Amino acid sequence: DAGITQSPRHKVTETGTPVTLRCHQTENHRYMYWYRQDPGHGLRLIHYSYGVKDTDKGEVSDGYSVSRSKTEDFLLTLESATSSQTSVYFCAISESPGVGADTQYFGPGTRLTVL
Amino acid sequence: GQNIDQPTEMTATEGAIVQINCTYQTSGFNGLFWYQQHAGEAPTFLSYNVLDGLEEKGRFSSFLSRSKGYSYLLLKELQMKDSASYLCAVYWAGNNRKLIWGLGTSLAVNP
Repeated sequence: DAGITQSPRHKVTETGTPVTLRCHQTENHRYMYWYRQDPGHGLRLIHYSYGVKDTDKGEVSDGYSVSRSKTEDFLLTLESATSSQTSVYFCAISESPGVGADTQYFGPGTRLTVL
Repeated sequence: GQNIDQPTEMTATEGAIVQINCTYQTSGFNGLFWYQQHAGEAPTFLSYNVLDGLEEKGRFSSFLSRSKGYSYLLLKELQMKDSASYLCAVYWAGNNRKLIWGLGTSLAVNP
């Protein structure tokens, strides 16, 4: 299995507070992704990174920001948490710089509850 | 749109064979993945198809027909541990490495 960890694994917070989730990889993969998974919606991409300091938005990026200052770390910040951001958050990584698709490997997930 | 359709739920019996279908829009297709996700866990990679045909990997096989926009995952000799959600995900050309995910098929394997 790819070496991917996420922290924290569980978090309960209050509406309006900032929250940062961390994804750490030991695979030296170039691409990193943040997804959220909700019943009835499946996995939806929030933001992704294609290199240090290189990031782009996914389909549900409003209310979220990301940073990648090192290859191994990708941070997701909820600037002011809302109850609609209660979800399970997964980080994923992929390697290939070539054309076409390459396999994404997922971290264990973070269950976030916003009260 | 880039829709992906999978059945929501399926049930099967231990030892049997089950086929989980996935259909998608064909325009710009650039590869299809199958992942397995047990309840409360992360998705794990099962297979990748970009060319037509059947890819076999032990008890699991995945088939692709690009012209029909159709794939299936075939699970043989079902075991209780195969009870999980099976996710189909597609790359479309020009989507800049972004996978689009189906909602998943929840498979229950009964004794």
